[in-house]
Amino acid sequence: GQQVMQIPQYQHVQEGEDFTTYCNSSTTLSNIQWYKQRPGGHPVFLIQLVKSGEVKKQKRLTFQFGEAKKNSSLHITATQTTDVGTYFCAGPRYGKLTFGQGTILTVHP
Amino acid sequence: DTGVSQNPRHKITKRGQNVTFRCDPISEHNRLYWYRQTLGQGPEFLTYFQNEAQLEKSRLLSDRFSAERPKGSFSTLEIQRTEQGDSAMYLCASSPGEASSPLHFGNGTRLTVT
Repeated sequence: GQQVMQIPQYQHVQEGEDFTTYCNSSTTLSNIQWYKQRPGGHPVFLIQLVKSGEVKKQKRLTFQFGEAKKNSSLHITATQTTDVGTYFCAGPRYGKLTFGQGTILTVHP
Repeated sequence: DTGVSQNPRHKITKRGQNVTFRCDPISEHNRLYWYRQTLGQGPEFLTYFQNEAQLEKSRLLSDRFSAERPKGSFSTLEIQRTEQGDSAMYLCASSPGEASSPLHFGNGTRLTVT
């Protein structure tokens, strides 16, 4: 079945440093979605990428979808303490979303 | 839009007991999903509904788990004869209906089986 893998599993950064998490799927995806889960919270939708090679930005967050539509990345510029949480990518297949295991980001002030 | 509501927020039960969780999706959403999440892992798909029809159930789900959505609105997830391995956060999510629509998650029900 479809597998969605994320690396790294953990990332510790100093406030102001950049952060990147990578997502790889075993199958081609029609789209990729990114979610953020704050500690003690539930996953919250961030963005959806649909087109091959697509790049989208949300303030300090940059999302990319690979040309082959099998990988994606999320880059945060100049992290802030409010960025802490777990970032998940998810790919749809047969009507349901398959989530990666997530990257846990901690930001030290 | 009051969001997805789940009850209870926490449930502690003894092994062997049955438990039932409830999810109220966003009212205009016709798709409803149940996921399970354990510490350090991403949400794991359990089952989903399109209106009142249960369209898929994970092969990882044992026969002790059953879900219903009788009128295409709220849903219940029942676990019979709970085991310690069932301890997890049970997340409900809803979406407008297209397969690739983003999910709106509830706050979850945290189950602890002692």
